[in-house]
Amino acid sequence: GAGVSQSPSNKVTEKGKDVELRCDPISGHTALYWYRQSLGQGLEFLIYFQGNSAPDKSGLPSDRFSAERTGGSVSTLTIQRTQQEDSAVYLCASSLGREWWNEQFFGPGTRLTVL
Amino acid sequence: AQSVTQLDSHVSVSEGTPVLLRCNYSSSYSPSLFWYVQHPNKGLQLLLKYTSAATLVKGINGFEAEFKKSETSFHLTKPSAHMSDAAEYFCVVSGVGNTPLVFGKGTRLSVIA
Repeated sequence: GAGVSQSPSNKVTEKGKDVELRCDPISGHTALYWYRQSLGQGLEFLIYFQGNSAPDKSGLPSDRFSAERTGGSVSTLTIQRTQQEDSAVYLCASSLGREWWNEQFFGPGTRLTVL
Repeated sequence: AQSVTQLDSHVSVSEGTPVLLRCNYSSSYSPSLFWYVQHPNKGLQLLLKYTSAATLVKGINGFEAEFKKSETSFHLTKPSAHMSDAAEYFCVVSGVGNTPLVFGKGTRLSVIA
């Protein structure tokens, strides 16, 4: 069965450029999450979408980061004016719902390198 | 607020010997606790979860974890390590309501032949 997919798998960009990262959640999953995994660190929560509710943006590190979820399915994470400290693996996860007992299924991630 | 501390950044064991990956948590609520595994170049996979039904939780691939409230611990164990167990392991806590999952910094498990 199809799991969570992310594209691209790798992205190399120059400092100051904008990047878009895409996530395709599992069909029927209403909750979608973005995390950032930096070298030697755990996963850092960025943003969460649940159905048609307003997203929880409490984890976004700066206003250069934004995300949208169109039609309750595909999500795009956009980083404007990238900085070297943005280099990390960006992980997307989806679950049936927001409740804590719903297992989050993770995609393989997008490795972003900012030169 | 919730937090987790994984006490070892790297654990190395010989194949066939027991595995112990330590995790302590802090939570204002009765917590839900999880262990996830991340193999190289692969996505995170849920190993097991504690949801207050039983303090000893069995997961996939022979792993288990015991919730000890008095010690605020949720250590991951396996009786006999296999080469395929080499990976990064994350301890995760979630409270109630709309709090997001909080991940520990991970423990890298190496298995020596």
